[in-house]
Amino acid sequence: DAKTTQPTSMDCAEGRAANLPCNHSTISGNEYVYWYRQIHSQGPQYIIHGLKNNETNEMASLIITEDRKSSTLILPHATLRDTAVYYCIVRSINDMRFGAGTRLTVKP
Amino acid sequence: GAGVSQSPRYKVAKRGQDVALRCDPISGHVSLFWYQQALGQGPEFLTYFQNEAQLDKSGLPSDRFFAERPEGSVSTLKIQRTQQEDSAVYLCASGSRRAYEQYFGPGTRLTVT
Repeated sequence: DAKTTQPTSMDCAEGRAANLPCNHSTISGNEYVYWYRQIHSQGPQYIIHGLKNNETNEMASLIITEDRKSSTLILPHATLRDTAVYYCIVRSINDMRFGAGTRLTVKP
Repeated sequence: GAGVSQSPRYKVAKRGQDVALRCDPISGHVSLFWYQQALGQGPEFLTYFQNEAQLDKSGLPSDRFFAERPEGSVSTLKIQRTQQEDSAVYLCASGSRRAYEQYFGPGTRLTVT
């Protein structure tokens, strides 16, 4: 089982922030929240991960709720090249199970 | 630097044939993972190596699937007597001991006819 729930699809206007939600209500204390994305015909690409604190890197921000049961990936200024399937994954060190992900479409 | 590479990128096999898919991980990466991705689905975990040791093969769908990494670097995923349901993209990923992110290769698209 993937342990996470994500919307099947979302749209976002180019230049606007894309906020992708993820529910992981059964997360345990040693499990991290990871986000990957997969652009058509390519392998998944790592975006960001976190345990309990919010995280930010050059690609995105990750906001994790205090109870850790949900999180949001934020792409601050979405571009057309951000169109992809985004996977939220809960994992311990060597166990990464993907779900179906959210298909994000960035529109001009 | 060089990323994860996989070969061949595309493979067409007739049902019943054996196939071998190769993964060259990033140099020095200890962990290596194989995934199977059916059309329209997320990747499904197959197996995991740490160096040459196969620590988890719980995702291999049948005993026709076999993976090896004899020297702790290059890995081969072998599928014997291929079936149509084996048609998928096979993804390889590697990771270093300390880092938590996995780096994926482009995948091998296997089509069984």
